[in-house]
Amino acid sequence: QKEVEQNSGPLSVPEGAIASLNCTYSDRGSQSFFWYRQYSGKSPELIMFIYSNGDKEDGRFTAQLNKASQYVSLLIRDSQPSDSATYLCAVNKWVSGNTPLVFGKGTRLSVIA
Amino acid sequence: EPEVTQTPSHQVTQMGQEVILRCVPISNHLYFYWYRQILGQKVEFLVSFYNNEISEKSEIFDDQFSVERPDGSNFTLKIRSTKLEDSAMYFCASSEVWGLAGEGETQYFGPGTRLLVL
Repeated sequence: QKEVEQNSGPLSVPEGAIASLNCTYSDRGSQSFFWYRQYSGKSPELIMFIYSNGDKEDGRFTAQLNKASQYVSLLIRDSQPSDSATYLCAVNKWVSGNTPLVFGKGTRLSVIA
Repeated sequence: EPEVTQTPSHQVTQMGQEVILRCVPISNHLYFYWYRQILGQKVEFLVSFYNNEISEKSEIFDDQFSVERPDGSNFTLKIRSTKLEDSAMYFCASSEVWGLAGEGETQYFGPGTRLLVL
């Protein structure tokens, strides 16, 4: 049973457009939700996290969480070619420290100049 | 900005050999992890570690794997007898707990060690 699902893409958007990345999760006990960016051959780099329903904005990035629908999304405004990467959604069942992350397979984003 | 470091960046070994992957977590972090990513697949949890003990391990983390914190800074993953299917990128992560009541935890990843077993 897949726990975190993402469309593998590629998602292609023109430079300056909004990129919308989606993620669903199966475990209703999930508490914290993370978006990581991964360039080819590199490690995951944290973009932002969210743990309350609603929107959370950080610069050009907005994370959206809907726990009732078990859905997390990431919007990237004013997309740049440097945003081209694989975006990983990760969740954990936060109770206390040392809680492992469960990752989706990632969505590959391509921003066309 | 503090970061997780890992050595070596690349390791090539023969099947059946032992390898040790090394990590230096961020200095004030208390929680440590190893993950792996087989080429083209998702990042998978191997083991978590706190207070010199394993907190949790996945099905992947069998008797061939062990972790250790030999001193105050290093965190190591040992694979005793490598198999072809152990070829992957291995990531170390460390985390901080945030919030006055410990509302959550954020994990930061090292650059990884690419292990190739021949």
